Amino acid sequence: AQKVTQAQTEISVVEKEDVTLDCVYETRDTTYYLFWYKQPPSGELVFLIRRNSFDEQNEISGRYSWNFQKSTSSFNFTITASQVVDSAVYFCALSRYNQGGKLIFGQGTELSVKP
Amino acid sequence: ETGVTQTPRHLVMGMTNKKSLKCEQHLGHNAMYWYKQSAKKPLELMFVYNFKEQTENNSVPSRFSPECPNSSHLFLHLHTLQPEDSALYLCASSQDKNGGYGYTFGSGTRLTVV
Repeated sequence: AQKVTQAQTEISVVEKEDVTLDCVYETRDTTYYLFWYKQPPSGELVFLIRRNSFDEQNEISGRYSWNFQKSTSSFNFTITASQVVDSAVYFCALSRYNQGGKLIFGQGTELSVKP
Repeated sequence: ETGVTQTPRHLVMGMTNKKSLKCEQHLGHNAMYWYKQSAKKPLELMFVYNFKEQTENNSVPSRFSPECPNSSHLFLHLHTLQPEDSALYLCASSQDKNGGYGYTFGSGTRLTVV
């Protein structure tokens, strides 16, 4: 069975702190895709990153970075020097190759960045 | 207009009412989805449509009735809802069935059943 676990339900940090959001996934597939989405208070889920199972190279985009480790089935997300605008719910998700494109979401982590 | 558009943004309805949620995408995507997001709960997949055909119904009660007249439009018809159906209903579309592109989401309809 496929499953995504985000063990951190809520995280609260002070502005300029670094914060890491954990994501652990389960799948027996060899080809799959991992995603992170951000859901601000407005409600819309915003795509942040996609990674396929054959690409373990870490990625950095501005203050955001992602650490994909197949050995531990983890795809963690780090925000450096957090800002108040980073406050949102963040979802990690998994999709299986050639299985209809359906995304399996984790429970979400609510990040609160205080000034 | 680009992206995925959902209307209305907010809806309050009584338990005996009938209403419809609308979702529209102009991205040329072939798959569309309805998700329910209740407070403090994960996203629940409700329905999946690929090329206008329903390919998944996740044991959704019959008081929710989806309709997909074409690849660009998706509706969710609501009737005799219960207060526990109050939630954020999100529509999404995706480019392919292979799973590699993820979803584009709409802003959702915040539904309150009174």
